[in-house]
Amino acid sequence: AQKITQTQPGMFVQEKEAVTLDCTYDTSDQSYGLFWYKQPSSGEMIFLIYQGSYDEQNATEGRYSLNFQKARKSANLVISASQLGDSAMYFCAMRSNNAGNMLTFGGGTRLMVKP
Amino acid sequence: GAVVSQHPSWVICKSGTSVKIECRSLDFQATTMFWYRQFPKQSLMLMATSNEGSKATYEQGVEKDKFLINHASLTLSTLTVTSAHPEDSSFYICSAPRPRTGPKETQYFGPGTRLLVL
Repeated sequence: AQKITQTQPGMFVQEKEAVTLDCTYDTSDQSYGLFWYKQPSSGEMIFLIYQGSYDEQNATEGRYSLNFQKARKSANLVISASQLGDSAMYFCAMRSNNAGNMLTFGGGTRLMVKP
Repeated sequence: GAVVSQHPSWVICKSGTSVKIECRSLDFQATTMFWYRQFPKQSLMLMATSNEGSKATYEQGVEKDKFLINHASLTLSTLTVTSAHPEDSSFYICSAPRPRTGPKETQYFGPGTRLLVL
């Protein structure tokens, strides 16, 4: 069974500062993928970044980077230079290559960017 | 632009009626689609896996006779909430894994359907 844990139900960050959203996972699989999604109040799920378990380098997508520490089973999302529009729910998710393409989600972190 | 569409975006219905929600992949074929349900301030919970050409796979605790899933084509999956009751009110969202065409992998989500059963 897979499990995703996001220990921060809510986070505040000052505009233009960086913020790290935590995500740890538990799996016995060797091959898996890790995702981060942003969900604004509209409800849509916006794909942010992907990290494969065999990827040697940390994934980066613009202001988003993923701090992947495989031994610790953590995949923290780092948002640099926060913007007011970053205020939203953020979900970490995992896909096991042995369980089809379905995603298992963490409980989410609500990020609030202060002006 | 959006690669997975969902219709309707919101629906209000009376208790006892059935509601059909459509999920379409717009520019790729999806042999598999996923249906999730999200209650307010909670995470997404997988309800079922929709498989083109075969029966859907339901997660434990999800009533297959209540939530009918039909994967009619490689680009369309439908979820029908039969005899809806107020406790079925939720945000329903579908997703489709896009075949990898590069080093990155993505799963795209539809915009979701808000269902309110009165």
